[in-house]
Amino acid sequence: DGGITQSPKYLFRKEGQNVTLSCEQNLNHDAMYWYRQDPGQGLRLIYYSQIVNDFQKGDIAEGYSVSREKKESFPLTVTSAQKNPTAFYLCASSSSGTTTGELFFGEGSRLTVL
Amino acid sequence: GESVGLHLPTLSVQEGDNSIINCAYSNSASDYFIWYKQESGKGPQFIIDIRSNMDKRQGQRVTVLLNKTVKHLSLQIAATQPGDSAVYFCAENRNYGGSQGNLIFGKGTKLSVKP
Repeated sequence: DGGITQSPKYLFRKEGQNVTLSCEQNLNHDAMYWYRQDPGQGLRLIYYSQIVNDFQKGDIAEGYSVSREKKESFPLTVTSAQKNPTAFYLCASSSSGTTTGELFFGEGSRLTVL
Repeated sequence: GESVGLHLPTLSVQEGDNSIINCAYSNSASDYFIWYKQESGKGPQFIIDIRSNMDKRQGQRVTVLLNKTVKHLSLQIAATQPGDSAVYFCAENRNYGGSQGNLIFGKGTKLSVKP
């Protein structure tokens, strides 16, 4: 089935460690996104990529890094510079040629810093 | 701050009743809006969208209404079912460098359906 796969679903990290969240899609979408969701809040954009080997910062990029070496993959690294990393992270993709803004989301990764 | 927000954070309805979830936006230039449903611990799912050249759009059991005069958006769910219990987000399309998939999300309304 086509879709977006995020892993791991749950992740625990000690303070000062970097962690990488995986996001893979087989929808043949050009654009991919990372959002952060905190309890009782909406989604905030961290980074997005419209095409392979290119990405832009979103609203809250500080303390995060991404890469887009393959069309199917858009991993997010939460670095030790991120002051409050505990959150639910959502990856999404969209077809750049679409006339709608519909995003297809993965099931999310919940990161907890101990 | 966010240009998309919701009037009420929670809504409780009886099974079988109709639900109305509201959303306000502040940018009069916004021209595209989407409603998403998010069940606990899962990613958001697309429900319905509407462009600013429309006032109303209907889907299966859902209707979105857009009032550009007061910059207000609403989602109506007919004959609400227990499976409709979730958090509902409205989102505004924000174009960055041509990408039409960049969205600004509101904080969400939690819908609870009582049996």
